[in-house]
Amino acid sequence: GQSLEQPSEVTAVEGAIVQINCTYQTSGFYGLSWYQQHDGGAPTFLSYNGLDGLEETGRFSSFLSRSDSYGYLLLQELQMKDSASYFCAVRTNTDKLIFGTGTRLQVFP
Amino acid sequence: DARVTQTPRHKVTEMGQEVTMRCQPILGHNTVFWYRQTMMQGLELLAYFRNRAPLDDSGMPKDRFSAEMPDATLATLKIQPSEPRDSAVYFCASGLADRFSMGYEQYFGPGTRLTVT
Repeated sequence: GQSLEQPSEVTAVEGAIVQINCTYQTSGFYGLSWYQQHDGGAPTFLSYNGLDGLEETGRFSSFLSRSDSYGYLLLQELQMKDSASYFCAVRTNTDKLIFGTGTRLQVFP
Repeated sequence: DARVTQTPRHKVTEMGQEVTMRCQPILGHNTVFWYRQTMMQGLELLAYFRNRAPLDDSGMPKDRFSAEMPDATLATLKIQPSEPRDSAVYFCASGLADRFSMGYEQYFGPGTRLTVT
């Protein structure tokens, strides 16, 4: 079977750092993606890890450990506009994306 | 500014009616996906195509749903007959699956919000 686990909700204040964890159990694992979705909007791509290690894109970083079936998204210097849902998604070896249930991030002033 | 487009953006229909949703993927992308999003089930993959050929439609109720790509610029998702439990947001996404690239991004359209009464 395929399963991904991530926390349902995280809260933080502006300027802080938050880490959203994702553990997965999937067959045919190829890589781990992260998507952001604002209320009423469409998911938008944040990052992709095809190899173990850290990928950095501006204020966002993503990490993957294949041996631990684990990854995380790190958001730094949080801004109010970062309040959204964040999804981890496994890319399979047939290029499907299997999405987690999402983590709702609320950033407070 | 390349983007995925979907029509209609909103659809309200009565149970039993046929619903057709359309998607124009980004030019040059070789993979097209249909997703359904609800509060209860989250984001579910219904079907996807590579180079217009269906690869996997195991997430789709076969008795009432069908997905096609008549050409490279159009993907359709049809529900016949529709039921209230089909009420959801339906997203189309496209991407370029390239084994030689370590990047992998799916571009989502704005979605079709379907309400079946």
